[in-house]
Amino acid sequence: EAGVVQSPRYKIIEKKQPVAFWCNPISGHNTLYWYLQNLGQGPELLIRYENEEAVDDSQLPKDRFSAERLKGVDSTLKIQPAELGDSAVYLCASSFGQGGNEQFFGPGTRLTVL
Amino acid sequence: GNSVTQMEGPVTLSEEAFLTINCTYTATGYPSLFWYVQYPGEGLQLLLKATKADDKGSNKGFEATYRKETTSFHLEKGSVQVSDSAVYFCALKGGTYKYIFGTGTRLKVLA
Repeated sequence: EAGVVQSPRYKIIEKKQPVAFWCNPISGHNTLYWYLQNLGQGPELLIRYENEEAVDDSQLPKDRFSAERLKGVDSTLKIQPAELGDSAVYLCASSFGQGGNEQFFGPGTRLTVL
Repeated sequence: GNSVTQMEGPVTLSEEAFLTINCTYTATGYPSLFWYVQYPGEGLQLLLKATKADDKGSNKGFEATYRKETTSFHLEKGSVQVSDSAVYFCALKGGTYKYIFGTGTRLKVLA
């Protein structure tokens, strides 16, 4: 069984540029999470989807961050414009059910903003 | 709000040594507790979990007991191997399904 797939694995951009990350969850997993992981820190939830609905986006900085999961499968996280402080690893995870079950994490996208 | 505190690393041990990584939590209600492991270049993987007080989670020789009286969930292993070198995260899940992770503890096991 394929795990959670994320792309790109690495991205380097200049500040003020836009950037997008893509996540393909495990087949059949209806709950999808985006996390931010700063260096030396644990993951922090940005947004959680159940199917197409964003059920918890309270930690998403909506002035520059946006996310979508149009068909309840793949998801895209976008930053526009990127700032130096956005340099981090962006993790995607998925689980089956309403968010109470085991999460499976992707390898993450490491973003560097210059 | 809910929070997780775990010991800072790195923790450096010789092969076959005993491992303890401390984790304490603050939470309202009755959270579930987890240990995740992250190997270099990979995503986090669930190592073990406990869903109620006095439960013991175990996997791959690792163990942790949910201690409500001390609000702790310390990770232990009797004999570590070089292949256990990784970053270990303690986490809790509250009633709203929101996961809170600790800052991670890097373990280095020397041959």
